[in-house]
Amino acid sequence: GAVVSQHPSWVICKSGTSVKIECRSLDFQATTMFWYRQFPKQSLMLMATSNEGSKATYEQGVEKDKFLINHASLTLSTLTVTSAHPEDSSFYICSATKAGTGNYGYTFGSGTRLTVV
Amino acid sequence: GENVEQHPSTLSVQEGDSAVIKCTYSDSASNYFPWYKQELGKGPQLIIDIRSNVGEKKDQRIAVTLNKTAKHFSLHITETQPEDSAVYFCAASRSGGAQKLVFGQGTRLTINP
Repeated sequence: GAVVSQHPSWVICKSGTSVKIECRSLDFQATTMFWYRQFPKQSLMLMATSNEGSKATYEQGVEKDKFLINHASLTLSTLTVTSAHPEDSSFYICSATKAGTGNYGYTFGSGTRLTVV
Repeated sequence: GENVEQHPSTLSVQEGDSAVIKCTYSDSASNYFPWYKQELGKGPQLIIDIRSNVGEKKDQRIAVTLNKTAKHFSLHITETQPEDSAVYFCAASRSGGAQKLVFGQGTRLTINP
């Protein structure tokens, strides 16, 4: 089956520093990867969509200069939270769709709990 | 854009009883409807999905029904067990290309022993 690995699973950082989260598709090539943010007891909110080798498409209200997304290969996408602040503390989740499936099937990573202190 | 509404937000049932969660969507072009189970501190796990060319799909104790005319779909869990306790999300998307998945608000299901 399709497996997406996300690292780290949790991270604590100081306010003003940057944090990088990795999302890897382990056994398939991911045409598209998506990044979500989830606040406690809320639903998943899409932040951006990234395609390999091109710039990410950000959802309205998401600062592209703050949340840097790089999708350098068909198996790896990274999300960097720059100059993190306490309000960026959240659960970040990536998902990937398998190339050639026509978007029928999204595999999710296990999520990263970011705490900014 | 697509908007997905999910009800109820919380659901408590006795072990062994059935649970039903309902979702409506707004985009008539949506044709893929997955359901996810999320346990605390983990990513969502796909439990069942349905495409628009099918009205119902079943996998053991879990079933999903889709009414394209009314633009609503439902999750049915029968013979509930304590391990079914979790948050469930419905979602909808179009197929093809980089189509995003839009989630419902989630339902916290509690199975009482």
